[in-house]
Amino acid sequence: QLQLHEAGPGLVRPSETLSLICSVSGGSITSGNYYWGWIRQSPGTGLEWIGDAAYRGKTYYNPSLKNRVTVYLDTSRNQISLRLSSLTAADTALYFCARTCNGGSCYVAGTDVWGQGITVTVSS
Amino acid sequence: DIVMTQSPDSLTVSLGERATISCRSSQSVFLGSNNKNYLAWYQQRPGQPPKLLIYWASTRQSGVPDRFSGSGSATDFTLTINSLQAEDVAVYYCQQYFNAPRTFGQGTRVEIK
Repeated sequence: QLQLHEAGPGLVRPSETLSLICSVSGGSITSGNYYWGWIRQSPGTGLEWIGDAAYRGKTYYNPSLKNRVTVYLDTSRNQISLRLSSLTAADTALYFCARTCNGGSCYVAGTDVWGQGITVTVSS
Repeated sequence: DIVMTQSPDSLTVSLGERATISCRSSQSVFLGSNNKNYLAWYQQRPGQPPKLLIYWASTRQSGVPDRFSGSGSATDFTLTINSLQAEDVAVYYCQQYFNAPRTFGQGTRVEIK
């Protein structure tokens, strides 16, 4: 069974860069036509899609974050990384790693696998 | 960006009754070449990540009870929960995966009356 597990700092200072890692077990990020990426949820609010990347495919970012965000697939470690720079308090959120399929040939479409999430607080 | 708007923001329903949630997209998420609507529904219980319920607007994910159903096309979609159960208390989100950014609705909170 595919599982995703997020790791990283729980507290980051304003203006610094956040680095999160999502470790994938029970499957490979190089198999299938999937996008691997990140979604966040600010306290008490809804879901915000950050960005995702496909193996041998394109990477997409939320335009609201585009200049600050990088999503990278480390195939040697079977991990997905997120880097978000120039942090402010508005970046305080629960960050989820997730798998999405959006092609017409997807057996299951949408975001079908989620990590449990990691809480990140931006504060001095 | 495609803006997803859900209504209502919250819903209180008696056990065993029906809950209906609407989702509207600012542009069509229907692709004529494969006759599919790129729309999914998720359930998020407190303290849990979202769970995929419905994809392609009306296809139920494996293991999801058949009291959950999705309908609609192009820009207007509906999630229906028939015979509401206590475990259905959650926030429900729609999402379009037609293009990036893969935007979500603001969520609809379902509670028991």
